[in-house]
Amino acid sequence: GQQLNQSPQSMFIQEGEDVSMNCTSSSIFNTWLWYKQDPGEGPVLLIALYKAGELTSNGRLTAQFGITRKDSFLNISASIPSDVGIYFCAGQLDAGGTSYGKLTFGQGTILTVHP
Amino acid sequence: KAGVTQTPRYLIKTRGQQVTLSCSPISGHRSVSWYQQTPGQGLQFLFEYFSETQRNKGNFPGRFSGRQFSNSRSEMNVSTLELGDSALYLCASSSGPNTEQFFGPGTRLTVL
Repeated sequence: GQQLNQSPQSMFIQEGEDVSMNCTSSSIFNTWLWYKQDPGEGPVLLIALYKAGELTSNGRLTAQFGITRKDSFLNISASIPSDVGIYFCAGQLDAGGTSYGKLTFGQGTILTVHP
Repeated sequence: KAGVTQTPRYLIKTRGQQVTLSCSPISGHRSVSWYQQTPGQGLQFLFEYFSETQRNKGNFPGRFSGRQFSNSRSEMNVSTLELGDSALYLCASSSGPNTEQFFGPGTRLTVL
């Protein structure tokens, strides 16, 4: 089945630094999503990407949908303490058949920000 | 607009029991997906419902089942609970195919 490889697994940074994480897949996805999850809560959607090559920003966050449709990255600029959490990438195939409603998730990147 | 709600938030059961979890999607969303999250396996897709029909199912045993009602609310049921079923169960709703999924806070199930 499809698998997403997300890296790095964890990051320890100083407040104000920029962060970059990425996901790669052996399969082509038609949608890439980035989520942030706080302990004991559900994932919160940060950015959604629908077209190969698309670059989308949401405040200090920027994400790109790779040209090959097999990868995506997320950048966080000027990190702040509230950026702490686990970041997940997720991919979805075209709607239909075995792809209905199914997101395939990466393993997550644990981000720690030191004040 | 209210977000996805899940009840209960926490549940403790013993092996062999069964459990029912509930999910209310965002108003107007007709698709509900369920996921299991564990430290070892991460987020795994369970199944998806749209207009009261299960359209997709993940690789889980038949002890895991679900249903969707005419108001789009969904329930999932796990029968004959095993220790390994301890997890955070998340539901997500979306407005249609290939659109963003929005997650609820989850139900933390502990099986003793």
